[in-house]
Amino acid sequence: GDSVTQMEGPVTLSEEAFLTINCTYTATGYPSLFWYVQYPGEGLQLLLKATKADDKGSNKGFEATYRKETTSFHLEKGSVQVSDSAVYFCACLIQGAQKLVFGQGTRLTINP
Amino acid sequence: DAGVTQSPTHLIKTRGQHVTLRCSPISGHKSVSWYQQVLGQGPQFIFQYYEKEERGRGNFPDRFSARQFPNYSSELNVNALLLGDSALYLCASSLVGARGYTFGSGTRLTVV
Repeated sequence: GDSVTQMEGPVTLSEEAFLTINCTYTATGYPSLFWYVQYPGEGLQLLLKATKADDKGSNKGFEATYRKETTSFHLEKGSVQVSDSAVYFCACLIQGAQKLVFGQGTRLTINP
Repeated sequence: DAGVTQSPTHLIKTRGQHVTLRCSPISGHKSVSWYQQVLGQGPQFIFQYYEKEERGRGNFPDRFSARQFPNYSSELNVNALLLGDSALYLCASSLVGARGYTFGSGTRLTVV
């Protein structure tokens, strides 16, 4: 069935370090791909998205490229800040079913 | 503009009781979806409603039901609560055909 697998956390980095959170998906057709961020005690906020192969989503210094050949959508940021500490979820929107399938989440902590 | 609003924000129920959670979508959004997020996991799809009709259902027991009203707001009902129903319940709304969802802050349900 449809599924999303994320890099297991937690991930702890120092401020200004480079970040990569891996995400791969299994889905039929051509799903849209998303990264959501969740701060403590809050709901999900859309961070970025890509709707077709080779699209690059970007926002707030974060980037992810839709790679159909490797079924991946890895999240990257060149220089993280303490305020980036949160839980990050990769998700795909299943065509036709109109439902999001989420990964298990990766908790990111940035130390000053 | 108001985002997706959910009520209540928190509640505590006893095993066997019934609960109703409410969601108001963003103005103009006609599709509403519900997700359950157990602590430490990614959200799981419960229902999608569009134009007052159920358009999708996740792998949840019949104790879970929902409905959508003419103003596109929605209710999620859970009967015969179990301890395992303790979770953050998220509502998301979208435009029809859109490739993305906006989430509310959620209702945190604790079953004791």
